[in-house]
Amino acid sequence: DQQVKQNSPSLSVQEGRISILNCDYTNSMFDYFLWYKKYPAEGPTFLISISSIKDKNEDGRFTVFLNKSAKHLSLHIVPSQPGDSAVYFCAASEEAGANSKLTFGKGITLSVRP
Amino acid sequence: NAGVTQTPKFQVLKTGQSMTLQCAQDMNHNSMYWYRQDPGMGLRLIYYSASEGTTDKGEVPNGYNVSRLNKREFSLRLESAAPSQTSVYFCASRDLDPYNEQFFGPGTRLTVL
Repeated sequence: DQQVKQNSPSLSVQEGRISILNCDYTNSMFDYFLWYKKYPAEGPTFLISISSIKDKNEDGRFTVFLNKSAKHLSLHIVPSQPGDSAVYFCAASEEAGANSKLTFGKGITLSVRP
Repeated sequence: NAGVTQTPKFQVLKTGQSMTLQCAQDMNHNSMYWYRQDPGMGLRLIYYSASEGTTDKGEVPNGYNVSRLNKREFSLRLESAAPSQTSVYFCASRDLDPYNEQFFGPGTRLTVL
């Protein structure tokens, strides 16, 4: 049973436009949500996070929106750049303590066309 | 700071052989993790160590063992490799922070023939 779902395996957008990456979850105990970015042959790198007490978090071109009632979050990238082309993973956790574990989605491959 | 380092980068094994994947972090983090990534499957947790001296199973622990040698090092052992263990393995670490951010190593690509 997949608790974190990224239903679209890929997304292609034009440079300069907005990229919207979606993520759904089923576990109502999840309280912390993170997005990771991964380039080929490298490890994932942290991008942005949000806790359940917020519905929006911004960091430069990246904004994450959380809708707890719908169990849905999205990552907006504006404007999209060719260097943003990568696999993006959504992850979630029930707690932030020492025993905290992340549950990852399957990832979305974003391609930004010049 | 080197961050999280993993050795080796690549490895080819025959079915039944054993090997240990090494992971070290220099960020003084308490918690460390081992994941595997398979095509179309995302990252799945194999084992984790919340602190030095403790280890716990994750989602897919069968066929693996781990050792938290000290605060810096967390190794993953395959006692008898199987083709189903062909994957990319990532080690990660984190400190106690409010955002659950984990820092990942560059990965080990393992092929079992």
